[in-house]
Amino acid sequence: GAVVSQHPSRVICKSGTSVKIECRSLDFQATTMFWYRQFPKQSLMLMATSNEGSKATYEQGVEKDKFLINHASLTLSTLTVTSAHPEDSSFYICSARRVSVNYGYTFGSGTRLTVV
Amino acid sequence: AQRVTQPEKLLSVFKGAPVELKCNYSYSGSPELFWYVQYSRQRLQLLLRHISRESIKGFTADLNKGETSFHLKKPFAQEEDSAMYYCALRITQGGSEKLVFGKGTKLTVNP
Repeated sequence: GAVVSQHPSRVICKSGTSVKIECRSLDFQATTMFWYRQFPKQSLMLMATSNEGSKATYEQGVEKDKFLINHASLTLSTLTVTSAHPEDSSFYICSARRVSVNYGYTFGSGTRLTVV
Repeated sequence: AQRVTQPEKLLSVFKGAPVELKCNYSYSGSPELFWYVQYSRQRLQLLLRHISRESIKGFTADLNKGETSFHLKKPFAQEEDSAMYYCALRITQGGSEKLVFGKGTKLTVNP
């Protein structure tokens, strides 16, 4: 089956530093990957959509200079939280869409980011 | 505006009782709807999609365009059904697509 690996699962960083989160599709190619943010006891909020080889599309209100997304290959997308602040602490989840299967969205296990 | 509404944050039933998790949507296009489930400490996984008209783990969901609803139902709930359930709407716009999620319903099935 389709598997999406997301790393790290947990990360603690100091304010002002940058953190990179990786999302890999292990056994399929993903033309499109999605990055979500989930606040405690709330739903998943889409941050951006990344397409392999092109610029990411950010949702309204998401700072693209702060949340850098790179989708350099059909199996890897990265989200870099730059100059992190405590308010960036959250649960970040990626999702990958399979190339050959309609509606085939597979989710990563998420990354818990804590900025201190 | 595209929106998915799950009116119940929490839903508690006893084992063996019927359960219905409500989902309503707002979308000007042709709706494509999904139910996702997240068990404790696990990742989000697809439970149902309306185009498949399938039954997974005893759950079914019917798209009612007139009522703009996609409620999830199970006639006899089991304790292992306890989880967070999210209804999602696939939106396509100018060649791009995304999933919009409802806020989720936490289902607890008591013994």
